[in-house]
Amino acid sequence: DAGVIQSPRHEVTEMGQEVTLRCKPISGHNSLFWYRQTMMRGLELLIYFNNNVPIDDSGMPEDRFSAKMPNASFSTLKIQPSEPRDSAVYFCASSLGGAGNTIYFGEGSWLTVV
Amino acid sequence: SQQGEEDPQALSIQEGENATMNCSYKTSINNLQWYRQNSGRGLVHLILIRSNEREKHSGRLRVTLDTSKKSSSLLITASRAADTASYFCATDAGYSTLTFGKGTMLLVSP
Repeated sequence: DAGVIQSPRHEVTEMGQEVTLRCKPISGHNSLFWYRQTMMRGLELLIYFNNNVPIDDSGMPEDRFSAKMPNASFSTLKIQPSEPRDSAVYFCASSLGGAGNTIYFGEGSWLTVV
Repeated sequence: SQQGEEDPQALSIQEGENATMNCSYKTSINNLQWYRQNSGRGLVHLILIRSNEREKHSGRLRVTLDTSKKSSSLLITASRAADTASYFCATDAGYSTLTFGKGTMLLVSP
């Protein structure tokens, strides 16, 4: 299996620009997670989808952040407008059946907002 | 907010030595998982231990869980330089999501 695939791997953008991060979960998995990792705050859950439906978005920082999962094989995380404090590594992860089972992470999207 | 907290924050040992990392958490859990992250990479699942289990082994890894103390430990025996990574515990408190600690950075010197 190809694993969780994220793109882009690295992105540098200017403040105010829109950023779209993409994720393809492992085929057959019904749970998808977006996490953000920073040195200061560690790994934070942003949003959790189950069967393409957002279940928990309490971790989404503010209205500038939005996430969609139009089908079982694709999800996006969008930041508009981006700010320097959004600089972080964004991980997408998927599992079969939520956090009661192994969660498989992608390699992350390294975002720098200047 | 962090549910699990790892201790120590950093650990430096020599190849061949054992490495022990601890994790404490605050609320009741369904399961606890340990993950590993190499520099610049995603997290990789190591082991899952359920709340009704006390100990689990996988190769050179041994995980214990003490639900009365709300703590877990990860032991890596006969460490190798390739074990150098950050190690995270994560808890599932019944909300179908995992909450991660800030991790222990392990450095194994040849």
